[in-house]
Amino acid sequence: EVQLVQSGAEVKKPGESLRISCKGSGYSFTNFSIHWVRLTPGKGLEWMGRIYPSDSGTKYSPSFQGRVIISSDKSFTTAYLQCNRLSASDAGIYFCAREQWQAFDSWGQGTLVTVSS
Amino acid sequence: DIQMTQSPSSLSAFVGGRVAVTCRASRNIGTYLNWYQHKPGRAPKLLIFAASRLQVGVPSRFSGSASGTAFTLTISSLRPEDFATYYCQQTYITPWAFGQGTNVNI
Repeated sequence: EVQLVQSGAEVKKPGESLRISCKGSGYSFTNFSIHWVRLTPGKGLEWMGRIYPSDSGTKYSPSFQGRVIISSDKSFTTAYLQCNRLSASDAGIYFCAREQWQAFDSWGQGTLVTVSS
Repeated sequence: DIQMTQSPSSLSAFVGGRVAVTCRASRNIGTYLNWYQHKPGRAPKLLIFAASRLQVGVPSRFSGSASGTAFTLTISSLRPEDFATYYCQQTYITPWAFGQGTNVNI
């Protein structure tokens, strides 16, 4: 069974950085891209970017370019999302998802992020 | 960037009723259009990919269709577990954009 398991909820202050992990299991981790998507009250679902673990190639949404870093560790079959310079508008639920046939067929359980001073 | 305009933003329907949600792309995206169902506290679930292909395990009361840049998700006979928010997503070109969502209420 394909599973993506994310790290737990985070509480951050404005200006701080965030790092969330997403561990894949039940499939060949290097053969499928992992994407990051967030759900916020203001903007609904937003695609943030993706990584192809086989070669660590990344692609970012222009909305997050320069503030977000997506990485992966093949030996741990884990992808990471780092988001810098957090603000209140970054509060929401962050999901990782596996891509198959240009759709997201498996998702992590979500990580709740709170940003408050 | 491609914009996805989804309508309506919310609707009310009865169990057993038929529901249609529409998504329009700001330019041609072929059939690179997916539909997801999302319930609070859960991960989104893929229902339809490539505009009309039913994901494995999804009931056949869900269907998708396309006409040019307009795409429709239809639920033929609503069941209580179908009350949720539905999102379209284009994956023709990055950034892969989602529609604003349609909340299907009882």
